[in-house]
Amino acid sequence: QKEVEQDPGPLSVPEGAIVSLNCTYSNSAFQYFMWYRQYSRKGPELLMYTYSSGNKEDGRFTAQVDKSSKYISLFIRDSQPSDSATYLCAMNQGAQKLVFGQGTRLTINP
Amino acid sequence: DTAVSQTPKYLVTQMGNDKSIKCEQNLGHDTMYWYKQDSKKFLKIMFSYNNKELIINETVPNRFSPKSPDKAHLNLHINSLELGDSAVYFCASSSSPGGDTQYFGPGTRLTVL
Repeated sequence: QKEVEQDPGPLSVPEGAIVSLNCTYSNSAFQYFMWYRQYSRKGPELLMYTYSSGNKEDGRFTAQVDKSSKYISLFIRDSQPSDSATYLCAMNQGAQKLVFGQGTRLTINP
Repeated sequence: DTAVSQTPKYLVTQMGNDKSIKCEQNLGHDTMYWYKQDSKKFLKIMFSYNNKELIINETVPNRFSPKSPDKAHLNLHINSLELGDSAVYFCASSSSPGGDTQYFGPGTRLTVL
């Protein structure tokens, strides 16, 4: 079993829809949770960074962490075609290696 | 100004050859990483250096040898290339190991024929 599980998709939704992306993990020691966005043929870039359970909002993006269920989510409101990318969850326990999910390929259709 | 740069961007080579990928960061970070992303987009850490010292060395064949001449550079040398080495290799950097934001380079797409 992988430490971090993420549905690779692909996921295709119409413009304006609310998108929900999820990851589950098995290591209860993970403390820091991130979402990276990767456009085609580019390097990943950090989108959201959270520590501990709860919600964090940044514009149209909301990151949610539920440590009791070992489950994290990324919500995208009012999705735009420019949001089409692969979204990777990542997590670690402080100064340890970052463990990534497989990434979910998302397409927003105009 | 590019924060993390890698050269070359594309590398096509024959099995058995030796090749190097170079990485440079101008962010003043102390920690640098090499990641491998396979065809299914799975991104996995290979090595990490902090202040030119190796701190993470995942289960990677010893044909792969990283070298950090200074804090701003981390190169990756690969000996006796195999078909399974075909992937995209990303360099990244952060101000400290682990928890801080990691900034990724544009990637080097390696194809072994």
